[in-house]
Amino acid sequence: DTEVTQTPKHLVMGMTNKKSLKCEQHMGHRAMYWYKQKAKKPPELMFVYSYEKLSINESVPSRFSPECPNSSLLNLHLHALQPEDSALYLCASSRLSGGSNEQFFGPGTRLTVL
Amino acid sequence: DAKTTQPPSMDCAEGRAANLPCNHSTISGNEYVYWYRQIHSQGPQYIIHGLKNNETNEMASLIITEDRKSSTLILPHATLRDTAVYYCIGSYNQGGKLIFGQGTELSVKP
Repeated sequence: DTEVTQTPKHLVMGMTNKKSLKCEQHMGHRAMYWYKQKAKKPPELMFVYSYEKLSINESVPSRFSPECPNSSLLNLHLHALQPEDSALYLCASSRLSGGSNEQFFGPGTRLTVL
Repeated sequence: DAKTTQPPSMDCAEGRAANLPCNHSTISGNEYVYWYRQIHSQGPQYIIHGLKNNETNEMASLIITEDRKSSTLILPHATLRDTAVYYCIGSYNQGGKLIFGQGTELSVKP
């Protein structure tokens, strides 16, 4: 299995809702990432998990809460989002051996906050 | 992580080679050069990476200059499906960030 899967594909939520994005990989990768991509802009890193521990938080607001329950799963919990948080949320994974850092991305979740 | 500079857009005729340049003059000795592409509304797709030597895989070839200040991604026979934004990234940390620049929007035309 060489895929990173993300669910749901699309999500519409109100500013008072709580929702979660899910990411899964079965490549044995021990690093997992969340990126955010606004329209016509490049992806921007949000969080990195290495060996299931949060290793990088790019000063992301607390209304975004990541969780890595095991080496194959990565969640992003959303609460009290703003309309400007509407974006494509991308998950990626990579191995942590061999020297290089090629990351493999999922198809993303298109989030709309009303 | 190295700052990279790419032309904002390029055109290529279908069936011809597409040569996409990238300048990374501040790259350090242990930073790899990675190339990704993103087809509209999809997740980025890893293409190839290299450190010092030229590399080739089933998708593309990567030519890195001897001083490592620039590189060229070559798609040998471009097809319409290669139309995408191509990103060149310098990175050395395993488990670290990839900093995407603005990339090159490649349009392959019939």
